[in-house]
Amino acid sequence: QVHLVQSGAEMKKPGASVKISCKTSGYTFTDYFIHWVRQAPGQGLEWMGWINPYNGDTKYAQTFQARVTMTRETSDRTVYMEVDTLRNDDTAVFYCAKEGRGYSLANWGQGTLVTVSS
Amino acid sequence: EIVLTQSPATLSLSPGERATLSCRASQSISNFLAWYQQKPGQAPRLLIYDASNRATGIPARFSGSGSGTDFTLTISSLEPEDFAVYYCQQRSNWPLTFGGGTKVEIK
Repeated sequence: QVHLVQSGAEMKKPGASVKISCKTSGYTFTDYFIHWVRQAPGQGLEWMGWINPYNGDTKYAQTFQARVTMTRETSDRTVYMEVDTLRNDDTAVFYCAKEGRGYSLANWGQGTLVTVSS
Repeated sequence: EIVLTQSPATLSLSPGERATLSCRASQSISNFLAWYQQKPGQAPRLLIYDASNRATGIPARFSGSGSGTDFTLTISSLEPEDFAVYYCQQRSNWPLTFGGGTKVEIK
């Protein structure tokens, strides 16, 4: 079955960067986009962007365009998301999710908590 | 950007009751709508895609309907495990957007 396993929690200072990994299994890696979603504490879901694992193409939400980079390592079936210039209000759980039928987000990683604090 | 408005914000019901959740889009999105369930400390889980199609393994008590701008998620008879937050999400236009969520709580 499909699994997405994310890297562990991170604590960062404002201005630093963080890189989160999402290791996939159970399907053909290059056949489905991977999306990233942010959820601040007690808040709703916010779409950040997607990466096409087949060719590395990306599309980012305007909110994150300047600070987010999504990459992939095909040989390792892993997708990465890096967020630069972290701010206190970037404290959130970040999820990766595999696209499914109807371009829905069918399978999700367990989430990675990033805490930004001085 | 398409704005999705969910109502009510909170729904207080008892097990066995019927739950009706609404999601309204700021412009027509055809049937390009999905519903997710999220429990505390867990990732969201896909329930419904393309407005009315149940995802793999989702019980038949969950159903979705609607098209254009008005959508409904119905839980025919609430089970204890159904008390959670529910989000709608559209994929008609970029960026993908989510509604603010409806919390279904035990009355």
